[in-house]
Amino acid sequence: TQLLEQSPQFLSIQEGENLTVYCNSSSVFSSLQWYRQEPGEGPVLLVTVVTGGEVKKLKRLTFQFGDARKDSSLHITAAQPGDTGLYLCAGDYGAGNMLTFGGGTRLMVKP
Amino acid sequence: NAGVMQNPRHLVRRRGQEARLRCSPMKGHSHVYWYRQLPEEGLKFMVYLQKENIIDESGMPKERFSAEFPKEGPSILRIQQVVRGDSAAYFCASSPVFTEAFFGQGTRLTVV
Repeated sequence: TQLLEQSPQFLSIQEGENLTVYCNSSSVFSSLQWYRQEPGEGPVLLVTVVTGGEVKKLKRLTFQFGDARKDSSLHITAAQPGDTGLYLCAGDYGAGNMLTFGGGTRLMVKP
Repeated sequence: NAGVMQNPRHLVRRRGQEARLRCSPMKGHSHVYWYRQLPEEGLKFMVYLQKENIIDESGMPKERFSAEFPKEGPSILRIQQVVRGDSAAYFCASSPVFTEAFFGQGTRLTVV
């Protein structure tokens, strides 16, 4: 069984602070996606990383894929209340595109 | 993800009834996935289908659950003789080929 571990599970911070969320696996990903899910809604795709060492930026969000393609991080700069939600990473191990999801990080940004 | 349509958004069933959840993938997408999310938990894979074929159902409970993706029409996730433990949010996702999956807004099943 391939496991995807996300940390931390919960994070409560004040507006303006920076944070980093981690996604780790013992197996190599073909690709990795980050999603954000708001209460009552489905996950929304934020980014896909494919190449080891790849860094992608989406406004205040920076996504990094580990050199060995076994881990990834999401860094948010100057967090805002609108960033509140459940952040999920999902790995594709090449097994016919069956995504394996991590348990998620619940982020709350207080004004 | 607005392109993946799931209905109904909310479904209430009494114990022992059948629940039918529908998913219409985005136009041009031939791959459909179903995931289940329990309250305050992550997403658990259930089944992966292509048109008229079940590719991977390793996450489906062995009894009472079935899924189909016919040549015409939406994908259906069917739960027979529902029990309280089936209460969850069920999400469908679609993709064109082996790329990112896009999710619907989910069906929230409540078994009373």
